Amino acid sequence: AQSVTQPDIHITVSEGASLELRCNYSYGATPYLFWYVQSPGQGLQLLLKYFSGDTLVQGIKGFEAEFKRSQSSFNLRKPSVHWSDAAEYFCAVGRGANNLFFGTGTRLTVIP
Amino acid sequence: NAGVTQTPKFRILKIGQSMTLQCTQDMNHNYMYWYRQDPGMGLKLIYYSVGAGITDKGEVPNGYNVSRSTTEDFPLRLELAAPSQTSVYFCASSSKQGALNQPQHFGDGTRLSIL
Repeated sequence: AQSVTQPDIHITVSEGASLELRCNYSYGATPYLFWYVQSPGQGLQLLLKYFSGDTLVQGIKGFEAEFKRSQSSFNLRKPSVHWSDAAEYFCAVGRGANNLFFGTGTRLTVIP
Repeated sequence: NAGVTQTPKFRILKIGQSMTLQCTQDMNHNYMYWYRQDPGMGLKLIYYSVGAGITDKGEVPNGYNVSRSTTEDFPLRLELAAPSQTSVYFCASSSKQGALNQPQHFGDGTRLSIL
């Protein structure tokens, strides 16, 4: 069965520090992988996506993610976190023709 | 740029009442989706539509109905509200060129409480 695991429920980092949010997936075929961000009271916004090709993908707001097939991972990274990055982050895997399966999310807190 | 618009933003219902959550998009997207988000959880798909007149069940369709009479609108109906349907509901859309090859655009959500 397909699944997405985000092992960290809550992460706190200092502003200016680097960030890595973990995502592991279980999927029988080549996955379509996504990272979304959700600010409080708002809908989700797509940060980046991976379908094929270069395993390091660049997204918006300075985020990047690396697909590692051997580890079934698609971790999200940012070299220097800004206070405005505080939000909930969701990893998702494409499942079927018209469906995304979401992880349970990681809440990011940024301290000054 | 309106994008995906959901109404209402908040609603409180009594058990057994019915209501319709409205969703409209102005991007001429064929694919539209309804998700629910429970506290501490990711989104789960309720229903989706690949075009006007075509709808299909997602992961958690029980207790809901949808219709898609136009490309723009995709309302979600709760017929007999139950406390288990307390959640935040998100509508999303994707372009006609393939759902997984295009980012899904999300509305800001409807927060629904059933008391």
